[in-house]
Parts: sequence; C-alpha cells; structure tokens
Amino acid sequence: DVKVTQSSRYLVKRTGEKVFLECVQDMDHENMFWYRQDPGLGLRLIYFSYDVKMKEKGDIPEGYSVSREKKERFSLILESASTNQTSMYLCASSSGIYSYNEQFFGPGTRLTVL
Amino acid sequence: DQQVKQNSPSLSVQEGRISILNCDYTNSMFDYFLWYKKYPAEGPTFLISISSIKDKNEDGRFTVFLNKSAKHLSLHIVPSQPGDSAVYFCAASGREDDKIIFGKGTRLHILP
Repeated sequence: DVKVTQSSRYLVKRTGEKVFLECVQDMDHENMFWYRQDPGLGLRLIYFSYDVKMKEKGDIPEGYSVSREKKERFSLILESASTNQTSMYLCASSSGIYSYNEQFFGPGTRLTVL
Repeated sequence: DQQVKQNSPSLSVQEGRISILNCDYTNSMFDYFLWYKKYPAEGPTFLISISSIKDKNEDGRFTVFLNKSAKHLSLHIVPSQPGDSAVYFCAASGREDDKIIFGKGTRLHILP
C-alpha cells in the first residue's frame, strides 16, 4: 500500500519566514510532485522531480524552491513566506516514465501565512 | 490559458440516480485522461483513466466516455451513493508531456 506522508497537516507562519514542507514516500517512486490547491483554481503544479537532485519547474514556481537529496524525500521551500502563499499544499509521487501514471497523494498541508 | 476545463463548479444528484461530470480540453495533443476524487482534508485519489485509443472505460459504477472530435470527456457514476460526495478533478496528459494538467474540479453532492 503506497504511502505518501507530509510533515504537517496544519501550519501557521508569519510573513517573511522561511518555511519547509516535507514529503516522504515509501514506494521507491522515481517521480515526486508538489501542488497547491486553491478554491476555484484546482490543482496547480509548483515543482516536480524525476530523480534525486533533479527538479523541474511546474506552472507556478515563483516564490518556491525544492530539494530532493534522497529518492524518498521531496521538500518544498518558501524562502520568504507571503500571504498569497496561504493554501493547501499537496505532495504526490508516481512510478515509471509516463507523466500520466497514477499519482499517489499525501493528505496535504494547510498553510496559513499571517 | 486553461487547457482542461470543468465548467460546473458543483453538481447535486439524488442518491441512486446517475451523476454525470463533464470535462473539456483544448490541447489536441492530449492522449491520456484521468479522473481523481478528493474528500475534504485528504489528498486526491485516482479513480479511473482512459487512453485516446478508446472511447469508453468502465470500472464498476464508474464509466468514463471520451469524444475526441469534441474534445470532451465525461464521468458517469451509476448508481450514485452518499460516499460519492467529493470533489472530482479531470486531468489530461500527452505522451510526450512530463506532467499532467488538472481541471479546477467539480464538487458533487449526493442528496439523500
């Protein structure tokens, strides 16, 4: 049973703080993704990674960076949090070379930036 | 520019009846389509998919229909059950793409 875990379910930070969101998957998946979900906007891809130390920008990478030092772990970093980054953040992983392979999602982290 | 469109933000259906969720796309290079289901406070889970070489795929109560000429797909749930109340995301990808594109989602309410 695939499991994707995220370090926090709820997080409250202040404007300007550096924020780390951690994601771990236990199925040896090559591919990992970070999305944010906002009302009326659906799921938008921030960054993704196909291998350790590799990263690719998604549709909305501005204000974010990522780190993948180990295959099972993919971190999303908000260098200087802003109120417009208040959102639900979802991590996902998948196996194989095709982008449409089933993605397994974590439970999400609801981040509030004050 | 929205490549995957779910034009109905919400839909209410009586329990036991058919639920039909619609999705339109603009990119003719898409050749694989997926539906994900999301409950509140949980991550989305994969529901069903269809390749462009097919026009129908069925899995239990869930059937996805693809009309390539109209760039339209739909998810049918028959019969609808209370546990089907959730947000449904349509998603699409091309074989050469490195990511999938999600629609904005449709919130389905199953009424008792």
